[in-house]
Amino acid sequence: GDSVTQMEGPVTLSEEAFLTINCTYTATGYPSLFWYVQYPGEGLQLLLKATKADDKGSNKGFEATYRKETTSFHLEKGSVQVSDSAVYFCALTEYGNKLVFGAGTILRVKS
Amino acid sequence: DTAVSQTPKYLVTQMGNDKSIKCEQNLGHDTMYWYKQDSKKFLKIMFSYNNKELIINETVPNRFSPKSPDKAHLNLHINSLELGDSAVYFCASSQEGGSGDEQFFGPGTRLTVL
Repeated sequence: GDSVTQMEGPVTLSEEAFLTINCTYTATGYPSLFWYVQYPGEGLQLLLKATKADDKGSNKGFEATYRKETTSFHLEKGSVQVSDSAVYFCALTEYGNKLVFGAGTILRVKS
Repeated sequence: DTAVSQTPKYLVTQMGNDKSIKCEQNLGHDTMYWYKQDSKKFLKIMFSYNNKELIINETVPNRFSPKSPDKAHLNLHINSLELGDSAVYFCASSQEGGSGDEQFFGPGTRLTVL
């Protein structure tokens, strides 16, 4: 079945550092790919998405590019802030509406 | 206005009890979902409904019974609660339920079974 693998955390960075969270997927067809963010004590929010190969999703300074050849959707941000501290989930949908999530990566940003 | 709301936010109960969690969305979406997040933050879909019709049932014990009285509501009833049911349960909704649709999540219900 479909699956998503993302780098284990926690990832601890200083403010203004560069962020990369790796995500790779396994799917039989052509999934849509998502990054969701969960701030402490809250539900998940969509951060960005890409629905076909070579699409780049971007939002709030975060970016991720759908790479079919490497089955990857790595999340990047050039300069993180303390307010970016959260849990980040890579996810996919392939057939219909079932979101398959990675295990989540905790990001801690220190001032 | 809250887009996807859940009640209660916290639920503490004894093993063997029966409890319900309610979910409502005011986005006019056709599809609603229940997800379970375990203590390690892992999220897994449980159920999906489209226009009150069950679409996804992910090998969830039959002690869990979703009910959708209308397309704006999806409730989750749990019978004979077990320790392993302790988790955070998230409700979500999406416009149509297609592969690229964004899902909007509620704030979660933290269930603790003692």
